[in-house]
Amino acid sequence: AQSVSQHNHHVILSEAASLELGCNYSYGGTVNLFWYVQYPGQHLQLLLKYFSGDPLVKGIKGFEAEFIKSKFSFNLRKPSVQWSDTAEYFCAVGSYNQGGKLIFGQGTELSVKP
Amino acid sequence: DAMVIQNPRYQVTQFGKPVTLSCSQTLNHNVMYWYQQKSSQAPKLLFHYYDKDFNNEADTPDNFQSRRPNTSFCFLDIRSPGLGDAAMYLCATSGRQGQWEQYFGPGTRLTVT
Repeated sequence: AQSVSQHNHHVILSEAASLELGCNYSYGGTVNLFWYVQYPGQHLQLLLKYFSGDPLVKGIKGFEAEFIKSKFSFNLRKPSVQWSDTAEYFCAVGSYNQGGKLIFGQGTELSVKP
Repeated sequence: DAMVIQNPRYQVTQFGKPVTLSCSQTLNHNVMYWYQQKSSQAPKLLFHYYDKDFNNEADTPDNFQSRRPNTSFCFLDIRSPGLGDAAMYLCATSGRQGQWEQYFGPGTRLTVT
């Protein structure tokens, strides 16, 4: 069965530190990849997505992610985090053989200290 | 603004007492999903509707049912809630099956006493 693995359960950073959150998936076919963010008390929002083309995708709020097919990875990055980035981040994968359903990772809680 | 709305945001029910959670959307999307999310876990898909076609996940308990009377509304019925059903329930929509981007509502947090 497909699975999505996020490497870190909880990450604590100071403001201005760089961020990289790992995401690996198990499926070998064509995939669509997403990062969703859930700010405290708010709903899941799309941060960025990859369908095809340039494997380096840019999202909102200065986030980017790189798809590395050979490593089955889609890591999220931000050069300089802000206190307002404190949230839970979910990686998700969709594939054609799943009929459009998304498989979510278990989430990474990011805490940014001011 | 087009959006996905869930009511209520917080629901308390008693063990074994049926409860219904509702979701509505103004996006005119064909597909609606229900997820269960427990603390520190990934959202788990329960079922989804593509228009009126219902698709149940193989491991979704029979205790969970859903109705979609029209494009805009979808309901999650828990027939006999157990303590293990306490969770956040998320509704999401997408424009068509296979259009992977999903739009989420704020969720309903269910407490079972």
